Order: sequence, then C-alpha cells, then structure tokens
Amino acid sequence: AQSVTQPDIHITVSEGASLELRCNYSYGATPYLFWYVQSPGQGLQLLLKYFSGDTLVQGIKGFEAEFKRSQSSFNLRKPSVHWSDAAEYFCAVRNNAGNMLTFGGGTRLMVKP
Amino acid sequence: ETGVTQTPRHLVMGMTNKKSLKCEQHLGHNAMYWYKQSAKKPLELMFVYSLEERVENNSVPSRFSPECPNSSHLFLHLHTLQPEDSALYLCASSQDHTAGRHGYTFGSGTRLTVV
Repeated sequence: AQSVTQPDIHITVSEGASLELRCNYSYGATPYLFWYVQSPGQGLQLLLKYFSGDTLVQGIKGFEAEFKRSQSSFNLRKPSVHWSDAAEYFCAVRNNAGNMLTFGGGTRLMVKP
Repeated sequence: ETGVTQTPRHLVMGMTNKKSLKCEQHLGHNAMYWYKQSAKKPLELMFVYSLEERVENNSVPSRFSPECPNSSHLFLHLHTLQPEDSALYLCASSQDHTAGRHGYTFGSGTRLTVV
C-alpha cells in the first residue's frame, strides 16, 4: 500500500528566508503526488500536483516542488517566505486503485517576522 | 456560489444526540469524500462516493452513516457519538473517483465537538 511521510512536524523560518518542506512516499509505480495547504480553521487548498513530465512543478503562491524518483521524494520549496505562508502543509499520493489520496501527517510552518 | 460548501461550520452535540453534516459542491464533480481530521493524526478517509454510489467505506463505525442523494450533495448522519469522535470533518470532491490528475477540492470543514 502507498504511504507518505513528512519528517518535520514543525518548521520555523524567518520572513524572506527560503523554505523546503520534505515529503517521502512509498509507491510501486509512477505516483500522482500533491501538496496541499491548510490555514487555521479552513479546508485544504491544492498548491500543486505532479503526475508525469517535467519533474519540477510550479504551483500557486510562488511554490514549487521537485519529484525525485531515486529518492522517493517530492519536496516543496519557496525562495522567499511571507508571513501569510504560515499554515499546515500536507503531501499526498494517489493510491493504486486511483480512488483516494493518502496524506502525510502534515508540517506546520511558522514564520518569524 | 462555487466550490465545496459545508454546513454547519461548528457543531456541539451530546453523546445521545442525532445530527447531520451537509456538504454541497457546485463544480460538476462526480465523486465526493468524507475525511476526518483529528489533532496530531493524519487525515483519515471515511467514505468515497462516485456517481452517488458508495465505493469505499474505510472501516468506519456504524455511528457514522453517509448519504449521497445526488452528485452535488453529501451528508454524514451522526448518532450516539463518543468524545473521541470530536474532530474536523472535511468534505471533498473530484471530477471522478479516481482522483485522477486533479486531486480534490475541499470544503472548509465542520468542527465537531462531542460532549
């Protein structure tokens, strides 16, 4: 069965600094991978997705992610973090049957002024 | 109105009460989902509906009863809940139940507190 691990439960960065959130997946074939963001009290919003082609994927709000098959990783990056990026971030992989997403445990991002 | 709308946003209920959560999507999607989000736990898939038929029931206790009368509406009927059922319940939809290349669109959730 597929699984997703987000090793960092909490990350704190200074405003303007770069950001990388880690995601490792376990999946037998070429995965469909997603990153979502959740602001407090809100649902999840899709940031970006990967299913084939270019391994560097651009998303909304200035985020990007790179698929690395050799490392089973799909890390999320942003060159310069804004205070409004403080939220929880979830990585997800589509399952074999294609009928659901499996989510990682999430990484809570805090931004220092 | 567009997107996925969930009502109510907050719900407090006693263990002997019966209540329902409602989800409505205005995206023309054919699949809808219920997820449970508890503190310090990963998102847990509860139910999957495709074209109004249940295609997945992820070992959810019978005190949770889903209903999908049409492809735009999804309900979660609650009865005799336990305090550990307190959580954020998220509804999502997708173009089809394969969650294909598009992922899900989520609602804002219902924060449920069982007292």
